[in-house]
Amino acid sequence: AQSVTQLGSHVSVSEGALVLLRCNYSSSVPPYLFWYVQYPNQGLQLLLKYTSAATLVKGINDFEAEFKKSETSFHLTKPSAHMSDAAEYFCAVSEDNYGQNFVFGPGTRLSVLP
Amino acid sequence: SQTIHQWPATLVQPVGSPLSLECTVEGTSNPNLYWYRQAAGRGLQLLFYSVGIGQISSEVPQNLSASRPQDRQFILSSKKLLLSDSGFYLCAWTSGRNEQFFGPGTRLTVL
Repeated sequence: AQSVTQLGSHVSVSEGALVLLRCNYSSSVPPYLFWYVQYPNQGLQLLLKYTSAATLVKGINDFEAEFKKSETSFHLTKPSAHMSDAAEYFCAVSEDNYGQNFVFGPGTRLSVLP
Repeated sequence: SQTIHQWPATLVQPVGSPLSLECTVEGTSNPNLYWYRQAAGRGLQLLFYSVGIGQISSEVPQNLSASRPQDRQFILSSKKLLLSDSGFYLCAWTSGRNEQFFGPGTRLTVL
């Protein structure tokens, strides 16, 4: 069965600094990987997804993530944090191509300091 | 385009009272539907999923039940709420594409 770990339940960065949110996964088959963002009291919005094409995936709002099979990682980065990036971020893994059987990580809360 | 609705947006209920949360999807047919719960400071816990009308799979035993009376309608219910049922409830759907789309959520507080 697949699983996801996210190192750091809370990450703080200064505005303009690099954002790095870590995600490691476990999967018995080539995985599909996702990053979602959740703003307070809202649903989850897809940032980007990896579906076995390019290992470097670009998403919305200048976020990107790199799939590294050897490290079983899919870390999320953004070169320059904005105040509006403050939110909860969830990494998820799926072992099928139909959107079923998602397993979500526990989430990382990102704070952006002025 | 597809949209997903949840209501109510917020709900405050006393312990022991019944619950009914509704989720509807527009702009797609035959979706797979999901109910997740997000407790404070925790990740998402899958509660139920449905691949069709009347077909419900439960992921965890609990005080809640789900029903799918129509293709694009998914209902989460309880006969008697517990304090531990408080949380943020999210409905999601997928329709053959490899991603899940989430509704805006319902914040439930049980007092």
